[in-house]
Amino acid sequence: GESVGLHLPTLSVQEGDNSIINCAYSNSASDYFIWYKQESGKGPQFIIDIRSNMDKRQGQRVTVLLNKTVKHLSLQIAATQPGDSAVYFCAENFSGGYNKLIFGAGTRLAVHP
Amino acid sequence: DAGVIQSPRHEVTEMGQEVTLRCKPISGHNSLFWYRQTMMRGLELLIYFNNNVPIDDSGMPEDRFSAKMPNASFSTLKIQPSEPRDSAVYFCASSFTAGGSKDTQYFGPGTRLTVL
Repeated sequence: GESVGLHLPTLSVQEGDNSIINCAYSNSASDYFIWYKQESGKGPQFIIDIRSNMDKRQGQRVTVLLNKTVKHLSLQIAATQPGDSAVYFCAENFSGGYNKLIFGAGTRLAVHP
Repeated sequence: DAGVIQSPRHEVTEMGQEVTLRCKPISGHNSLFWYRQTMMRGLELLIYFNNNVPIDDSGMPEDRFSAKMPNASFSTLKIQPSEPRDSAVYFCASSFTAGGSKDTQYFGPGTRLTVL
């Protein structure tokens, strides 16, 4: 069920540590951002979203930070668990457009016991 | 809700054959998207429907690809004739969009297509 690029960046963390996954988005006019998690053989699963009028949003064990100045998005996962192992994608939506998402290349998160 | 449903989950066919992929969006959603995912190109949007009408098909690779949405609960993506380079995982996603709002897209499990 592999569905990701050959040269995906990989983040390796120990179980229980915090993880930070980064994403540089492309369009300064984007106003809506989503993080998706994709496990092997499955479709992307929504994790958390944030709109451009915010710079931080928290969910359960996850936090998304948005820095519009440098067009940077990050996903923080607290107390990373083996079940968090997956590929994580950020996606952006251009302001004024319809709900069209542009996906980043993805980052593979590997959690070691 | 069962989420977005796609069928078949796996399809193996020979070059030149017609392939039809199916999608049932989440009930109540009015936007439907078809994506293709490959190792080389990642996730690419193929076509977007809103209220059963194709709005953006600029991502459809070529005339061999066609998509329909005859009603709010069903869409098909057809490839005719299929080629080995069409081998990929095809995802359907749906969302509810109103008044230009930006809302989360929910993805189905995908169809893994292999064209020999």
